[in-house]
Amino acid sequence: QLQLQESGPGLVDPSETLSLSCTVSGGSISSSSYYWGWLRQPPGKGLEWIGSFHYSGSTYYNPSLKSRVTISVNTSKNQVSLKLSSVTAADTAVYYCASPLTGTRGLFDSWGHGTLVSVSS
Amino acid sequence: AIQMTQSPSSLSASVGDRVTITCRASQGIRDDLGWYQQRPGKAPKLLIYAASNLQNGVPSRFSGSGSGADFTLTISSLQPEDFATYYCLQDYNYPWTFGQGTKVEIK
Repeated sequence: QLQLQESGPGLVDPSETLSLSCTVSGGSISSSSYYWGWLRQPPGKGLEWIGSFHYSGSTYYNPSLKSRVTISVNTSKNQVSLKLSSVTAADTAVYYCASPLTGTRGLFDSWGHGTLVSVSS
Repeated sequence: AIQMTQSPSSLSASVGDRVTITCRASQGIRDDLGWYQQRPGKAPKLLIYAASNLQNGVPSRFSGSGSGADFTLTISSLQPEDFATYYCLQDYNYPWTFGQGTKVEIK
């Protein structure tokens, strides 16, 4: 059973870069079975998929964020990372890392607890 | 991007009621759809995958149906722990997109 845990600053200044890590246990980041995704949820609002990474090195980003997003992995730490540049207050949200159900690409069934990131000076 | 339109946005129901939530895709998505339950302060939980398959450990009072563009989540007999917000999600085409959510409240 995969376990995921997000970590990173809870407060980011406007125009700066938001950086989060997701530590994975119970499975290898490098496994061909897994995609790794980031999603977010602004306070009181719905869910938004940010992007996904596949072990092959392929990345898929939401076009609404693509110019500002980078998802990468650190295999030695078994971590997936998210960077979101030029943040504004609209990027304030709970950020989740997640992995989809085996056999699907985007039906996420393993989730971290989420981490709230606020963008404010 | 594929738009997912959920209805209703909220509903009030009593314990024991049958509840139905619908999700319509802006184009056909085969059965590449999941349903999620989210309780306040918690991560979403996958209930249904491939439109009609019950995820392991999910009570059988939850069921999903549909294919193509129209989908339904049904709770056959609402229980106190089912009061939550429900989302559909399509993984047919990137970008993956969610419905706007349906909040199920106690009547």
